[in-house]
Amino acid sequence: GAVVSQHPSRVICKSGTSVKIECRSLDFQATTMFWYRQFPKQSLMLMATSNEGSKATYEQGVEKDKFLINHASLTLSTLTVTSAHPEDSSFYICSANPGLAGETQYFGPGTRLLVL
Amino acid sequence: AQTVTQSQPEMSVQEAETVTLSCTYDTSESNYYLFWYKQPPSRQMILVIRQEAYKQQNATENRFSVNFQKAAKSFSLKISDSQLGDTAMYFCAFMMKTSYDKVIFGPGTSLSVIP
Repeated sequence: GAVVSQHPSRVICKSGTSVKIECRSLDFQATTMFWYRQFPKQSLMLMATSNEGSKATYEQGVEKDKFLINHASLTLSTLTVTSAHPEDSSFYICSANPGLAGETQYFGPGTRLLVL
Repeated sequence: AQTVTQSQPEMSVQEAETVTLSCTYDTSESNYYLFWYKQPPSRQMILVIRQEAYKQQNATENRFSVNFQKAAKSFSLKISDSQLGDTAMYFCAFMMKTSYDKVIFGPGTSLSVIP
């Protein structure tokens, strides 16, 4: 099946710094990628839809200036958490859609972010 | 807007027994896809099974099968011959037929398989 990677798998940073998380589709091109946030023992909450070559579409309540998304190529989307604070600590998961009708999304392994 | 509900936050089952996880959803659309995803302690999301709404036949994948009731908007997952490796969070999910649309997840059911 299709493989999606995320880097880094976990990151610890100081409050006020920015952190970039990469999401790559390894064996397929993804016009659309999705970024989710998951708190412990909760479901995945969609943050934004990343579209190659255009601006991301953010879900209601997600600060677009805080969570910068760049979909620079058909295989790479990045999420940058700017001026991170402890409340941004969470598990971030990306997924990619191969674009075939009815094809489900393929998920990356996730990135655990801890902001001190 | 579409919503997905899972009314069982936690469930347990004895090894080798059968368990059914419930899911209901709400949509005004007629063409869509439904999924069950598994998230083990590693937190990697794994697709368990997929159902296309226009297909009346229930999907099956080895020990996993679904009971899809379109009129009732119900999509339950049956796990037969439960194994210890089935211990995980299970999420029911909905996706519009448009391939670029987002997946809506239910709140999840934590399943524990007891040896």
